Amino acid sequence: QVTLKESGPVLVRPTETLTLTCMVAGFSLRNKRMGVSWIRQPPGKALEWLGHIFSDDEKSYNMSLKSRVTISKDTSKNRIFLTLTNVDPRDTGTYYCGRIPPKQLLVDNWGQGSLVIVSS
Amino acid sequence: QSVLTQPSSASGAPGQRVTISCSGSSSNIEENGVNWYQQVPGTAPKLLIYNSDLRPSGVPDRFSGSKSGTSASLAISGLQSEDEADYYCAAFDDTLNGHVLFGGGTKLTVL
Repeated sequence: QVTLKESGPVLVRPTETLTLTCMVAGFSLRNKRMGVSWIRQPPGKALEWLGHIFSDDEKSYNMSLKSRVTISKDTSKNRIFLTLTNVDPRDTGTYYCGRIPPKQLLVDNWGQGSLVIVSS
Repeated sequence: QSVLTQPSSASGAPGQRVTISCSGSSSNIEENGVNWYQQVPGTAPKLLIYNSDLRPSGVPDRFSGSKSGTSASLAISGLQSEDEADYYCAAFDDTLNGHVLFGGGTKLTVL
């Protein structure tokens, strides 16, 4: 069974760096062209793609975040990380990680989401 | 930057058929197809339709998708109260180095 679970701080102060972890199970990040995407959703608003990483370490990011976002992975521990620097209240929302299956351009399994509040 | 455009709301009575549209461009929907996600409030999104017209296993055949050029549609027939949710279209965009676009979402109300 494929599962993903996000974890990290609920409250982050403005200008700080947010780091979230996505723990995956039921599939391997060593599989060719397997990927994981990070997507967020501000309260009451639409989904926003943040970026993704593939098993070969290829990455792509939402350019609107202006280099604040970094995605990395620890394949041996089945973990994917999202780092967002210099956060502000507009970064408040629920952050999801999701699996990108090989040879597909989609997210077929989602984590439950991790709520992040940016406030002083 | 390209965007995917959806109506903000849609509605229908139980048993009726509802269609939700998603408008994009040649660099996203036309080239790469579209995926649809259903999100019941308070829960994570769920993949509903992929590659424009394919259903993952477990998704009822009341849900169907289609694509024509730079636009796509999601149709729900035999509307049920449990279909009340937000629906999002999504597509990869070739002009932005693999950037993924989401539509603004359509809130479906079952009357």
